[in-house]
Amino acid sequence: GDSVTQMEGPVTLSEEAFLTINCTYTATGYPSLFWYVQYPGEGLQLLLKATKADDKGSNKGFEATYRKETTSFHLEKGSVQVSDSAVYFCALREGGGADGLTFGKGTHLIIQP
Amino acid sequence: EPEVTQTPSHQVTQMGQEVILRCVPISNHLYFYWYRQILGQKVEFLVSFYNNEISEKSEIFDDQFSVERPDGSNFTLKIRSTKLEDSAMYFCASKRTDNTGELFFGEGSRLTVL
Repeated sequence: GDSVTQMEGPVTLSEEAFLTINCTYTATGYPSLFWYVQYPGEGLQLLLKATKADDKGSNKGFEATYRKETTSFHLEKGSVQVSDSAVYFCALREGGGADGLTFGKGTHLIIQP
Repeated sequence: EPEVTQTPSHQVTQMGQEVILRCVPISNHLYFYWYRQILGQKVEFLVSFYNNEISEKSEIFDDQFSVERPDGSNFTLKIRSTKLEDSAMYFCASKRTDNTGELFFGEGSRLTVL
């Protein structure tokens, strides 16, 4: 079945550091890929998405590129801020009309001033 | 900004009791979902609901679970006889359009079964 694996947390960085959160996936078809973010006390929010190979999703300074050859969708940001502290979830949705999302475990990111 | 709201935020119950978790999706949304996250584990898909019927469900969503949209605004998840392993955070989500639509999540309802 489908699965998503993302790096274990917590990840602790200093403000303005470069961020990478790794995500790899296993899927039988051609999935769409997503990053969701959960800020403290809030629900999951869509951060960015990519629907086909080599697409790059971007939002709020975050980027992720859909790499079919390495089945990866790593999240990157050039300079993190304290306000980026949250839990980040990588997810996929299979093609072919499937509706449910398959999530990774989530990575807790802590940015220190 | 419209949002998905869930109640209660935390419920503690005894094993074997029935639990109903409530969700108010965004008002013009047509597709509704329940997900859960057991502590330390992945967020797992439970069920999707469209046009007053279940459109997809996972293996987790067995006969102990049911969903309902009783009044056109609420979307509920019922667990008939709770087990210890049902302890989790339950997330409701909704979206307006089909597969390309963005999914909006609520803050979650934490269920603790003793």
